[in-house]
Amino acid sequence: DAGVTQSPTHLIKTRGQQVTLRCSPKSGHDTVSWYQQALGQGPQFIFQYYEEEERQRGNFPDRFSGHQFPNYSSELNVNALLLGDSALYLCASSLAGTGYNSPLHFGNGTRLTVT
Amino acid sequence: KNEVEQSPQNLTAQEGEFITINCSYSVGISALHWLQQHPGGGIVSLFMLSSGKKKHGRLIATINIQEKHSSLHITASHPRDSAVYICAVRGTGNQFYFGTGTSLTVIP
Repeated sequence: DAGVTQSPTHLIKTRGQQVTLRCSPKSGHDTVSWYQQALGQGPQFIFQYYEEEERQRGNFPDRFSGHQFPNYSSELNVNALLLGDSALYLCASSLAGTGYNSPLHFGNGTRLTVT
Repeated sequence: KNEVEQSPQNLTAQEGEFITINCSYSVGISALHWLQQHPGGGIVSLFMLSSGKKKHGRLIATINIQEKHSSLHITASHPRDSAVYICAVRGTGNQFYFGTGTSLTVIP
């Protein structure tokens, strides 16, 4: 049973560029959330996707956008990269409809470095 | 002010010691999660609580909904317990809020 997988594991981009990160949820899960974790900080919620729509959004600018595909996998896109976007980007999947009884399953993250 | 506050930020213990990590939150929640993050980034879910107490091996998690407080206890700590422990709450609006984590080092 595959868990949450993220790609790539590491990425180096230049300021102003655009980046796409990918996430495949745990088998059977239909909801994907994205988080940004700066060094030494806890994760910050970016947004959550369910049924191919953005359902919840944290306090992140429009440069951060996403997509969910019919197979429940998801992409996080960041445009016009800033140095401050350097962080570990984590994806977590869960099963909607289980209410608060849905545990979180995280991927190992993508380490993005913006130079 | 963060919605979730953890203490202590850093903790060093001798192998075998009893460890407590505290979490306080200021929002209404539907559930509280304790997570473990090892170097390299991977996060593992340890507990999900909405009331009372849960135990898994040497780990115990408690929550007091009225006081908006939770604790994670590790009995007979071991060097392999060294990691960052993160408290996260699912708000009633379904958004997650995370603490900044407690970095635990257990010395043999």
